[in-house]
Amino acid sequence: AQKITQTQPGMFVQEKEAVTLDCTYDTSDPSYGLFWYKQPSSGEMIFLIYQGSYDQQNATEGRYSLNFQKARKSANLVISASQLGDSAMYFCAMRETTGNQFYFGTGTSLTVIP
Amino acid sequence: DTGVSQDPRHKITKRGQNVTFRCDPISEHNRLYWYRQTLGQGPEFLTYFQNEAQLEKSRLLSDRFSAERPKGSFSTLEIQRTEQGDSAMYLCASSLLAAPPSGNTIYFGEGSWLTVV
Repeated sequence: AQKITQTQPGMFVQEKEAVTLDCTYDTSDPSYGLFWYKQPSSGEMIFLIYQGSYDQQNATEGRYSLNFQKARKSANLVISASQLGDSAMYFCAMRETTGNQFYFGTGTSLTVIP
Repeated sequence: DTGVSQDPRHKITKRGQNVTFRCDPISEHNRLYWYRQTLGQGPEFLTYFQNEAQLEKSRLLSDRFSAERPKGSFSTLEIQRTEQGDSAMYLCASSLLAAPPSGNTIYFGEGSWLTVV
């Protein structure tokens, strides 16, 4: 089974609007971390935000927030006030405490429309 | 620049040739990872080092692939007898073995694009 599922291959959002990128995960490990990365066309994977499985509050980093619903095993990324520079691929990832590797989804391509 | 750096950024090679990629992690990071990414996919784990010890290898890492981190600092990934299926971006990442939250995040380099013709 896929560890990370991103069901939106592509998304469009109007500049200055908010957008939600979906991510669901699968693990039986009680302790894990969830991450979002941005990958522009240049290729570099840029860390955006982290959520620990035991964190009580949703993580926020500037315009990025993570909507963590543990019972549903979802960790959606919300980008507020979209900017043209937000156009990129976005990857959700998970690291289980029992392992050392990060599992990535297939990504969502976000296009911000002026 | 104190981020993860990779060299070369782009490599075109003929099938059957050997190629080597180098990764310099963030200086205080003791964990180093190699990932492979093909078009339309997320990164796939290849291998991981803690200091100079290679602690985990994916089954994606065939016998033609070898990775080293001789002094626990930079790392090399060598692919011998390259095949067209090896064409991909090879990403290096590093992290610090530490308590959460800082110890949970891996930071990537810009990747090394390999094209096998």
